[in-house]
Amino acid sequence: SQQGEEDPQALSIQEGENATMNCSYKTSINNLQWYRQNSGRGLVHLILIRSNEREKHSGRLRVTLDTSKKSSSLLITASRAADTASYFCATRQGGTSYGKLTFGQGTILTVHP
Amino acid sequence: EAGVAQSPRYKIIEKRQSVAFWCNPISGHATLYWYQQILGQGPKLLIQFQNNGVVDDSQLPKDRFSAERLKGVDSTLKIQPAKLEDSAVYLCASSFGWRNEKLFFGSGTQLSVL
Repeated sequence: SQQGEEDPQALSIQEGENATMNCSYKTSINNLQWYRQNSGRGLVHLILIRSNEREKHSGRLRVTLDTSKKSSSLLITASRAADTASYFCATRQGGTSYGKLTFGQGTILTVHP
Repeated sequence: EAGVAQSPRYKIIEKRQSVAFWCNPISGHATLYWYQQILGQGPKLLIQFQNNGVVDDSQLPKDRFSAERLKGVDSTLKIQPAKLEDSAVYLCASSFGWRNEKLFFGSGTQLSVL
């Protein structure tokens, strides 16, 4: 079953604008990760935020985590056409012995030049 | 550093036929994962290996799917017999450990069952 639910399902913006994607999950987690998938390719890891962290930055990416609301957001600033891809959140579940990583349904981001 | 290698890249078969996918993870990565990604959906974990032992296969349709990881390195995923609903991209990923590490994905095998 899918743990994470991304919102919106699709997002279309102009180059230079910011893009915000949200992820909600159901059970306690050890960490939450965001991945990007270009069409016809495998997933690429973007950023990992641990359950005891609230915000993390990496280049033009900013991730927040609110464990009380079981939600996370990914902000891409000053977007580029090359950012066009599907974005997935994935949660590493807490309390298990093997840390299964479960993906959401994804947000399709289109950045128009 | 070499990435996760998968083959074949594409496969087209008739329903009820058999098919096998191969994966070579990044050297030194103890954990190997097979995910199934149906068009328009997120990846779904089929099986997770820690070295050559299975730690999660709860979502693997065991009546038709099987997987092995010999010597804790390469892995093969087999479907026998295939159904139409098995059409998907099969992604292999690996990670150094299993608790908090990020996953490295291969490019996947796109399977079409006709």
